[in-house]
Amino acid sequence: ETGVTQSPTHLIKTRGQQVTLRCSSQSGHNTVSWYQQALGQGPQFIFQYYREEENGRGNFPPRFSGLQFPNYSSELNVNALELDDSALYLCASSLAGTAQGEQYFGPGTRLTVT
Amino acid sequence: AQSVTQLDSQVPVFEEAPVELRCNYSSSVSVYLFWYVQYPNQGLQLLLKYLSGSTLVKGINGFEAEFNKSQTSFHLRKPSVHISDTAEYFCAVSSLSGNTPLVFGKGTRLSVIA
Repeated sequence: ETGVTQSPTHLIKTRGQQVTLRCSSQSGHNTVSWYQQALGQGPQFIFQYYREEENGRGNFPPRFSGLQFPNYSSELNVNALELDDSALYLCASSLAGTAQGEQYFGPGTRLTVT
Repeated sequence: AQSVTQLDSQVPVFEEAPVELRCNYSSSVSVYLFWYVQYPNQGLQLLLKYLSGSTLVKGINGFEAEFNKSQTSFHLRKPSVHISDTAEYFCAVSSLSGNTPLVFGKGTRLSVIA
């Protein structure tokens, strides 16, 4: 069974640029959730994708967008990067219909915006 | 909406001593409760979860937590800590509706001293 993987591990971007982060869900999982973890804070929910559609969104502006592909992998796109976007971005996969809490997290992508 | 308060941002404890990490939550509906651990430069790993039934929940690595509905608390305990338990610990909640996101506390840094 393959766990959740994320790429890249680290990324440095300049303010105003755009970035794409990638996540491969655990085998058999059909739901992907993205979280932003700023330094010294707990993760905050960005959005969730289920069957290639956005299935819930946190308090993040539209410049945060995503995609889910037929194989259930996912991308997080951030446009017009700001300094405050510097954070660890976590992807979590789960299987809809199972007991809540079975979210499996990837190792994260550390984004630094300069 | 739910919220989580972790009452201690840092907890230093000597090796082989007991530890309690405190978590209180607020919600207008019934919730599921979780504790996650994050080791340096890694993603989140589920320690334990409360979904229903017995209020004392046992997890991995010798941790346990007790759900107290009247006090809206879900404190994490371990009778004897090891150096390897040094990490960041996050309490989280989610509503009972299917596939809902996790709401995390800000985390407690557990430092085990030799």
